[in-house]
Amino acid sequence: DAGITQSPRHKVTETGTPVTLRCHQTENHRYMYWYRQDPGHGLRLIHYSYGVKDTDKGEVSDGYSVSRSKTEDFLLTLESATSSQTSVYFCAISESQGNYEQYFGPGTRLTVT
Amino acid sequence: QKEVEQDPGPLSVPEGAIVSLNCTYSNSAFQYFMWYRQYSRKGPELLMYTYSSGNKEDGRFTAQVDKSSKYISLFIRDSQPSDSATYLCAMPTGGFKTIFGAGTRLFVKA
Repeated sequence: DAGITQSPRHKVTETGTPVTLRCHQTENHRYMYWYRQDPGHGLRLIHYSYGVKDTDKGEVSDGYSVSRSKTEDFLLTLESATSSQTSVYFCAISESQGNYEQYFGPGTRLTVT
Repeated sequence: QKEVEQDPGPLSVPEGAIVSLNCTYSNSAFQYFMWYRQYSRKGPELLMYTYSSGNKEDGRFTAQVDKSSKYISLFIRDSQPSDSATYLCAMPTGGFKTIFGAGTRLFVKA
C-alpha cells in the first residue's frame, strides 16, 4: 500500500462545529487530492494541491477549505459542518500531473448530526 | 446527463463465472480509461488502465475500450469470492480532474 494515512478514521460531530481532517503521505508525491464519496455520486473532487501552499478548488468545494504547509500533509477543514457534509472522505496522491494513477488513503467516515 | 454512467448493481455471480462490468461516457475527448477496485470500507486501488481504444489484459482481467460507442468494459474471468468489491471506472480529463463512475457492486458467491 502507498504510504497514506488519514486521521481521524471516524468522527461524529454536531452541526455548526468546525472539523479538520488530516492526510499524511510518506511517498513525497507532489499532487494531493480530497474527495468525498456518497452513494449514487461516486467520488467527487473537493480540493486539490499541486505543491506546498498551492491549492485549488474541485467540483464540490463550497463549505470546505484546505491547507498544505508541507509536502507530506494536506488538511481539509469544514468551517461549519452541515448534515449534507456527512460522507466518507478520501485523500489521494499522485506523482505527476501526466501520471493519472492516484493512490488513495483508507478514508474518514464523518457523520454530522 | 452525467459524464460517466455506471450501473450500480449489485451484480451477483457464482464462483468461476465471467463477469462483465461496463461504463458509458459522453465526452469524446477522454483518452485514458481506468478501473479501480474498492473493497468494503477501504480506499479505491487502481486495477488497470488503457489508453485510447483496444483491449488490455492482465491475468484474469481484461479492459476493453470502444471509443466509437463511448463504452468501456472490464471482464473478469474465473471470478473468485475475493473479487467481491465495488468497481469504479474513471476517466482523467487531462487536467487535475478525474471523473469517476458511481461504481458497480459485485458479489461472487462461493
